[in-house]
Amino acid sequence: ETGVTQSPTHLIKTRGQQVTLRCSSQSGHNTVSWYQQALGQGPQFIFQYYREEENGRGNFPPRFSGLQFPNYSSELNVNALELDDSALYLCASSTPTSGSGELFFGEGSRLTVL
Amino acid sequence: GQQVMQIPQYQHVQEGEDFTTYCNSSTTLSNIQWYKQRPGGHPVFLIQLVKSGEVKKQKRLTFQFGEAKKNSSLHITATQTTDVGTYFCAGSGSRLTFGEGTQLTVNP
Repeated sequence: ETGVTQSPTHLIKTRGQQVTLRCSSQSGHNTVSWYQQALGQGPQFIFQYYREEENGRGNFPPRFSGLQFPNYSSELNVNALELDDSALYLCASSTPTSGSGELFFGEGSRLTVL
Repeated sequence: GQQVMQIPQYQHVQEGEDFTTYCNSSTTLSNIQWYKQRPGGHPVFLIQLVKSGEVKKQKRLTFQFGEAKKNSSLHITATQTTDVGTYFCAGSGSRLTFGEGTQLTVNP
C-alpha cells in the first residue's frame, strides 16, 4: 500500500462531458503529479502540483486542469472529453525532501469515453 | 523535448532464463528510476540511479546507469513467475519522463 488513494476507480463518460478525478496523497507528501496511461503505453506526465501551485506541465491541452488543496489532496479535471481521453489516470505523491525521488502511485482511475 | 525509449517492447522467457531491458534517453539525465507494474496494477518504484556508471543490485535484479547518463539497463537473473509485469524506466531531466515499458511474461 502506498497510502495514495484515488477515486473513482472506474467511470464511463460520453464525448463532450466533463470529469473530475480525485487523489489523496500520502501523509507528509506535498507534491502531487498526474499521469495519463493509455493501454499498452507508459505513463505520460500531465502536470505536477507543489504546495497548491502548478509546478510543471506536460504536453496536454488546457482542457486538462487541476487543483491542489491545503491538505495536499488534488483534483484532475478534464473538459470536453474526447474518445482518446480513455485511459488510466494515475496520481503520484512525493516529497522534494525524499532522497530517493520515489513516486508513490495510487491505483488509478480508469476512464472510458464513449 | 526529452524522450526515453525502451527495448524490447515484449519479452517472453521460460522460468529460470535471464531477462534484460534497455533504456535510452535523447538527453543527459540527472537520474533514472525504474518501476514495475503488475497486470492491472499501478507502477511501483524499484530503484533510483544517480551517478555515472552506477550499478545497484536487489537480489536477482541488477540495475546499471551508463557512463554518459543517457542509458540504463535492468537485468533479472533466473526469472520467476513473480517477475511478470511491465518494467518502466523513467528519466529525470526537467521532469520525470517514462519509457514505453518492456512487458515480461514468464512461462512456468
